[in-house]
Amino acid sequence: DIQLTQSPSSLSASVGDRVTITCQASQDINNFLNWYQQKPGKAPQLLISDASNLETGVPSRFSGSGSGTDFTFTISSLRPEDIATYYCQHYDRLPITFGQGTRLEIK
Amino acid sequence: EVQLVESGGVVVQPGGSLRLSCAASGFTFDDYTMHWVRQAPGKGLEWVSLISWNGGHTYYADSVKGRFTISRDNSKDSLYLQMNSLRSEDTALYYCAKNGWLQQLVGPFDSWGQGTLVTVSS
Repeated sequence: DIQLTQSPSSLSASVGDRVTITCQASQDINNFLNWYQQKPGKAPQLLISDASNLETGVPSRFSGSGSGTDFTFTISSLRPEDIATYYCQHYDRLPITFGQGTRLEIK
Repeated sequence: EVQLVESGGVVVQPGGSLRLSCAASGFTFDDYTMHWVRQAPGKGLEWVSLISWNGGHTYYADSVKGRFTISRDNSKDSLYLQMNSLRSEDTALYYCAKNGWLQQLVGPFDSWGQGTLVTVSS
């Protein structure tokens, strides 16, 4: 199985900060890497597909990059409503796996 | 608007069985692979199973293989998960999720239900 390691596991930042989360895969997963946001008590929401494709309706302050085994998720300017846990997920092969999540808090 | 509504989650004893349902609307159900994903209390997301758009292909996580069975009824726009030999570690919120790519086995999960809670406890 492909393991996805997210870093950091938790993060505290101030409104307006640039926030970066990394996701490292144990094997080459091409660009088959997605990012989800899960707010407390809510279902996950797809933000970015195939490493860098921003989903329709998702604010442009969110972005993703990377390929192969190393991927980055960035919030260019943190807003209070971005408080959530963020997960990476690959679908290069079965089983599909998720990273362990990054919990983002406001400082 | 895509809607996915799960149901069937209850408290069940270890070794028991349960069937979850997911009612879909707002899209052509029989064009999309569907997934079950679970989240144990306070934990991360775990993919459980998928079924292809026509029901011809099913796959399972090792943790549930041989105990869970995924199925779908395209005439009813519904997805199911039959859960047998339940264990305490199966306690979780179970989400159904829609595959984002038309008639592809895998892809991003572009819509999720709100989940149904399964608690395995004596």
